[in-house]
Amino acid sequence: SQQGEEDPQALSIQEGENATMNCSYKTSINNLQWYRQNSGRGLVHLILIRSNEREKHSGRLRVTLDTSKKSSSLLITASRAADTASYFCATAGGFKTIFGAGTRLFVKA
Amino acid sequence: EAQVTQNPRYLITVTGKKLTVTCSQNMNHEYMSWYRQDPGLGLRQIYYSMNVEVTDKGDVPEGYKVSRKEKRNFPLILESPSPNQTSLYFCASSSRDRGPLSYGYTFGSGTRLTVV
Repeated sequence: SQQGEEDPQALSIQEGENATMNCSYKTSINNLQWYRQNSGRGLVHLILIRSNEREKHSGRLRVTLDTSKKSSSLLITASRAADTASYFCATAGGFKTIFGAGTRLFVKA
Repeated sequence: EAQVTQNPRYLITVTGKKLTVTCSQNMNHEYMSWYRQDPGLGLRQIYYSMNVEVTDKGDVPEGYKVSRKEKRNFPLILESPSPNQTSLYFCASSSRDRGPLSYGYTFGSGTRLTVV
């Protein structure tokens, strides 16, 4: 069963703009993670936010978590062409981690 | 370098011919998992292992087997591959130091399997 669902499915922006991706999920979680995947390669862990946290920053990344709405957002500020990739949210509850279908981000130089 | 190593990267095989995809991690992680990735479906978990000799089914275990005889290795076995198992496969590991998946996964580079 698919838990995390990202929105939008695809996003195209200009270099320097901010990119926002959203993730919704259905059941209770221990934490929520965001990953990046470049064109068929392995996923790279970006950031993890625990269920008792509301906001987290890492460099140009900002993640928020609203457990009452069962949703999270990933903001990439001042985007670069190198940020072009697919971004996945993953929800961890119990001993399973479930991934969404991802958002494809294209940053035009 | 801390990493998860999968082999092979690419594999083309015929229906019914048994194959094994190997996965090894050098981070002393307790938790390991296999996922398959298909267009439009994201990553779906096949099997996972909490520690040596402890494995459990994920969401799509049919047609697959795993074993965890050593902490570092977690091979994925397809006893009789079929064309619907054509996919991109990922192995991943994580530490359970502060509970399951407290630190997120480290992923391997993937194995692209084609069954004809």
